[in-house]
Amino acid sequence: QSVLTQPPSVSAAPGQKVTISCSGSSSNIGNNYVSWYQQLPGTAPKLLIYDNNKRPSGIPDRFSGSKSGTSATLGITGLQTGDEADYYCGTWDSSLSARVFGGGTKLTVL
Amino acid sequence: QVQLQESGPGLVKPSQTLSLTCTVSGGSISSGSYYWSWIRQPAGKGLEWIGRIYTSGSTNYNPSLKSRVTISVDTSKNQFSLKLSSVTAADTAVYYCARGIRSGSYGDWGQGTLVTVSS
Repeated sequence: QSVLTQPPSVSAAPGQKVTISCSGSSSNIGNNYVSWYQQLPGTAPKLLIYDNNKRPSGIPDRFSGSKSGTSATLGITGLQTGDEADYYCGTWDSSLSARVFGGGTKLTVL
Repeated sequence: QVQLQESGPGLVKPSQTLSLTCTVSGGSISSGSYYWSWIRQPAGKGLEWIGRIYTSGSTNYNPSLKSRVTISVDTSKNQFSLKLSSVTAADTAVYYCARGIRSGSYGDWGQGTLVTVSS
């Protein structure tokens, strides 16, 4: 059981928009920055969003992040088949004094 | 652009110690406000944070692994290392090293190395 809760899977058609939720508590998301990662099959995770809503250089603005209370959301617009991947949220947990990740969400672009 | 590369045995026997090294290139491991981490991923499962070290030597470990984990840094070699003792089949996973910033995100990752625990 992951400390952060994500839906196991989401799907949408090419060109559409999808959101992926990440639910936690006051000891993690509620008081710490959230980051999001994309993991294509057989590759290392890639940082998509850091500090809740910032995009690293080279990440298209189709990807966005937000946080409200003890939940965070990753949004992806203009879906492409190349976006099919596993997506993970992550943050610090102040009670555990440890970094925690969500269980991951598999995105299928139909 | 900094690059990270994991190295170490791909097969470890049960009850033995898993040892991996991450070599950092393209920048000094001592420069900047970064911390250096190990993260693992069993086949078909999610990411599990193992721990991190600052170049000052201070460390944080996953509570579930803390009794078995040691992360160290060798600034002279621009490397940091992971030791996980008393391994079992449950420790079989792809092990990643990564560089993190103080706010918590990991922008740079190694390619990962598969470690199998089996006799």
